[in-house]
Amino acid sequence: SAVISQKPSRDICQRGTSLTIQCQVDSQVTMMFWYRQQPGQSLTLIATANQGSEATYESGFVIDKFPISRPNLTFSTLTVSNMSPEDSSIYLCSVPGTSGRNEQFFGPGTRLTVL
Amino acid sequence: GENVEQHPSTLSVQEGDSAVIKCTYSDSASNYFPWYKQELGKGPQLIIDIRSNVGEKKDQRIAVTLNKTAKHFSLHITETQPEDSAVYFCAASIDNTGKLIFGQGTTLQVKP
Repeated sequence: SAVISQKPSRDICQRGTSLTIQCQVDSQVTMMFWYRQQPGQSLTLIATANQGSEATYESGFVIDKFPISRPNLTFSTLTVSNMSPEDSSIYLCSVPGTSGRNEQFFGPGTRLTVL
Repeated sequence: GENVEQHPSTLSVQEGDSAVIKCTYSDSASNYFPWYKQELGKGPQLIIDIRSNVGEKKDQRIAVTLNKTAKHFSLHITETQPEDSAVYFCAASIDNTGKLIFGQGTTLQVKP
């Protein structure tokens, strides 16, 4: 499986500010995914990020709130804009495996607290 | 769209006992069903998965069964150990979309 790192691992932010989360993979991948995990909850897909094209957002998530960049095949960023306490969550990136089995592997997550 | 229901939400067993977690899905087009283990402060770890052309898969103490007709799949952990304590998530996906729909999670506690 790919080695996935995220920065920062955690942060505490003030409402109204923005935070950019980085996801780095040790191999080239076509698709990268961003998920949100609210406190004590399950994972919800925010968007799919393909290199060279606009990210595809899931229902309930918009580009103005969660802009995503995908400058190359090993890196992506997710920005949480104009934050409110409701944005306090763990944000996770994931990438597909290489076996063709449809599996996904997750990064360690970024734990965001908005005050 | 796809909806995945997971039960129970919490499960407590004695060390050495078996644990079973069940999930149901709604979209008959789903054909890939992974299970993840999430320990405190970490990202989810893929522990086993099954595709819709297989009814059962086993990996040491972990097994997954799939009933396509009833649209449900289950995770079985035998000879549980304290280090199995974690939150377990099931998920469902349709080939080539890459989109995983997760269940609500089960907090498993294995008492020594």
